[in-house]
Amino acid sequence: QQQVKQSPQSLIVQKGGISIINCAYENTAFDYFPWYQQFPGKGPALLIAIRPDVSEKKEGRFTISFNKSAKQFSLHIMDSQPGDSATYFCAASIWRIQGAQKLVFGQGTRLTINP
Amino acid sequence: NAGVTQTPKFQVLKTGQSMTLQCAQDMNHEYMSWYRQDPGMGLRLIHYSVGAGITDQGEVPNGYNVSRSTTEDFPLRLLSAAPSQTSVYFCASSRDSTYEQYFGPGTRLTVT
Repeated sequence: QQQVKQSPQSLIVQKGGISIINCAYENTAFDYFPWYQQFPGKGPALLIAIRPDVSEKKEGRFTISFNKSAKQFSLHIMDSQPGDSATYFCAASIWRIQGAQKLVFGQGTRLTINP
Repeated sequence: NAGVTQTPKFQVLKTGQSMTLQCAQDMNHEYMSWYRQDPGMGLRLIHYSVGAGITDQGEVPNGYNVSRSTTEDFPLRLLSAAPSQTSVYFCASSRDSTYEQYFGPGTRLTVT
């Protein structure tokens, strides 16, 4: 059962525009919400992450918005560039057992930035 | 630092064959995990380890075995390959003090 739902599956944005990817979750025990970026033929790499005690986190052109009551979080990419074209995954940590963090991933969004 | 390395990069197996996917990291991370990535499914956790000698099951463990005899290595064994195991496999590692997981480049496995 997929516990993190991500939308849209694919997204095309013009260069300079704003890219928005949304995720929703059900489990209120989640305590960490990262976004991973994956280029073709590569492994995912951490882009930005947020804890549920804040509503927004910004790093450069990338911003996570978090709505705890709605159990939703989203990634905003400002001034989108062709180099941002990649697959983006949201994720959530479900619990820590013996110090291990287990990530539950969304289905992924393939983002294309047209020049 | 090589980070997380995986071998082989590509593999084709026949149904019923067995094989081992290799994963190694040189960052002295205690935590290592195996994920599989399928279209429209995201990444799903197969097995994970919190240190040498300690492993546990993730979301989709059936058909896979792991062991962790050293901090550096975390191999994934397919006991009897099935077409449903056709996927891209990623190994990841992380430290306890941070939540960031570092992923390897992946192994693309096809089972015919």
